[in-house]
Amino acid sequence: QSVLTQPPSVSAAPGQKVTISCSGSSSNIGNNNVAWYQQLPGTAPKLLIYDNDKRPSGIPDRFSGSKSGTSATLVITGLQTGDEADYYCGTWDSSLSDGFAVFGGGTQLTVL
Amino acid sequence: QVQLVQSGGEVKKPGASVKVSCKASGYTFTNYGISWVRQAPGQGLEWVGWVSGYNGNTNYAQKFQGRVTMTADTSTSTVYMELRSLTSDDTAVYYCARDKSAPVREYWGQGTLVTVSS
Repeated sequence: QSVLTQPPSVSAAPGQKVTISCSGSSSNIGNNNVAWYQQLPGTAPKLLIYDNDKRPSGIPDRFSGSKSGTSATLVITGLQTGDEADYYCGTWDSSLSDGFAVFGGGTQLTVL
Repeated sequence: QVQLVQSGGEVKKPGASVKVSCKASGYTFTNYGISWVRQAPGQGLEWVGWVSGYNGNTNYAQKFQGRVTMTADTSTSTVYMELRSLTSDDTAVYYCARDKSAPVREYWGQGTLVTVSS
């Protein structure tokens, strides 16, 4: 059972937009920044979004993130078949003295 | 460019220990910490812990405390993760990742498959 809750799967047609949600609590998302990772089949995760809405160099602006309260959202526009992957949200949880990193269970994106 | 190169796959028997390495290059090793994240077959990501590249301080996930040790060797820019008392539940791909900040794993290694089987 993951600390952060994501939908197991989403799907949309090429060119369309998809939204992936990530729900947490005050000890994690509510008080810490959120990152999003893309994991293509058989590869290591790749940082997609950090600090809620910032993109690392090289990430296209089709990918955007936002945070409100204890939830975060990843939006992908202009879907491409190459976007088919698993997407994970991640943040820090401050409920213990040293804190710890937490992830969502992952969302599998299918581009129909 | 930042690179994290991990050691090769391992097959271990239940009760054994495994030590995985992660060699960093392309940046100043002592300026960043390294997290270890694992992924069981068909499952999601699970944070194992973190080690500082500066002074070797560690922070382990509660689930692994007492069973994991992470170390950093500044002379070779290499981080190690040792996991003891292995069970089949520890079968997973183990990734090292350079941390940009506490919530952010910025660069990832290629992963090391650890298989625990009798």
